[in-house]
Amino acid sequence: ETGVTQSPTHLIKTRGQQVTLRCSSQSGHNTVSWYQQALGQGPQFIFQYYREEENGRGNFPPRFSGLQFPNYSSELNVNALELDDSALYLCASREGLAGLGNEQFFGPGTRLTVL
Amino acid sequence: GDSVTQMEGPVTLSEEAFLTINCTYTATGYPSLFWYVQYPGEGLQLLLKATKADDKGSNKGFEATYRKETTSFHLEKGSVQVSDSAVYFCALSDMNYGGSQGNLIFGKGTKLSVKP
Repeated sequence: ETGVTQSPTHLIKTRGQQVTLRCSSQSGHNTVSWYQQALGQGPQFIFQYYREEENGRGNFPPRFSGLQFPNYSSELNVNALELDDSALYLCASREGLAGLGNEQFFGPGTRLTVL
Repeated sequence: GDSVTQMEGPVTLSEEAFLTINCTYTATGYPSLFWYVQYPGEGLQLLLKATKADDKGSNKGFEATYRKETTSFHLEKGSVQVSDSAVYFCALSDMNYGGSQGNLIFGKGTKLSVKP
């Protein structure tokens, strides 16, 4: 069974640029959530996709957007990058919609640095 | 809003010492509670969970009990090993109706270093 994978591992961008991060969910998982983990902080929920539609969103501006594909892989897009967007971006997958005890399986993350 | 507060680190212990990492939460309703561990260069791994009051989650020698009366979920291990060195995150499931429901609210994490 293949776990959650993310690409790229590291990325450096400059302010104002746009970035796309990718995530392949674990086999059999149709729900993907994205989290932002700033240095020294816990992860914060960005949004969730279920069967190719955004199904939930945290407190992040619209310049954070995403996609989910028929194979349940997902992309996170960030436009007009700001210095504060520098963080580790984590993708998590699970089977089914948000359940109160459902385990989410996390990928290793993409480290984004904005200069 | 819902939140999680963990003891600040770093925590440095000698091998075989007793570990406690404190976690308290504020939440509406009755969330599920989790401990995740993050090893260097890796993603988060679920360590243990509890879904209702008085439940005890346990895994790999770690334990935590869901205490509704004190809104706590402290992580304990009787004898730590060097391999336990990692960052530990306490989390709860977001109970609020709306876009983030069911996803996780994390504490800031506690870095544990275990020396031989």
